Amino acid sequence: AQSVTQLGSHVSVSEGALVLLRCNYSSSVPPYLFWYVQYPNQGLQLLLKYTTGATLVKGINGFEAEFKKSETSFHLTKPSAHMSDAAEYFCAVNLSGGYQKVTFGIGTKLQVIP
Amino acid sequence: DGGITQSPKYLFRKEGQNVTLSCEQNLNHDAMYWYRQDPGQGLRLIYYSQIVNDFQKGDIAEGYSVSREKKESFPLTVTSAQKNPTAFYLCASIARTGTVNYGYTFGSGTRLTVV
Repeated sequence: AQSVTQLGSHVSVSEGALVLLRCNYSSSVPPYLFWYVQYPNQGLQLLLKYTTGATLVKGINGFEAEFKKSETSFHLTKPSAHMSDAAEYFCAVNLSGGYQKVTFGIGTKLQVIP
Repeated sequence: DGGITQSPKYLFRKEGQNVTLSCEQNLNHDAMYWYRQDPGQGLRLIYYSQIVNDFQKGDIAEGYSVSREKKESFPLTVTSAQKNPTAFYLCASIARTGTVNYGYTFGSGTRLTVV
């Protein structure tokens, strides 16, 4: 079975501060891991993904995430928050790719304070 | 530009009424998915289809039905048996390239409200 836990349903940061959104996963086989972003009343957009290879993954809009197998984590970071980063972020896991269903976390709403 | 088109963006359903949500993609993707989103619950899988004329139930299929007569289209019908249909519905697709999952492409969603 696979599962995803996102710690903190709401996170607030000041503009220019570090963004850290936490995600831990449970998987019995090597997982594929994803972060998606959702703006109000819109669909989800893929930020970045880890499949195999390099454990530090860079995505769009200056975000990156590091796959840490020993910690079963895939935390999302950005060095300096921008007002446009305010959105909801979802971590997701898929077992070994393919068509197997993806399991999503409950989401973390990021608020950026001017 | 290629993408997924969901329509309508907003939909209102009366008690006891069936409604159909449209999902069309021009990405030539094989697999298509329907998710339901409720506040604080993330996304939950309703149905998915890997190939034309075939589909599988997801985690919350009761009260919903789908069809996949064409590769490009995967409509979702919310039936009167679905007792709490008010939610945001998202359609997604994925291309098949070996066994690599490049991540979903999502539509912009349909917000369904029971009146």
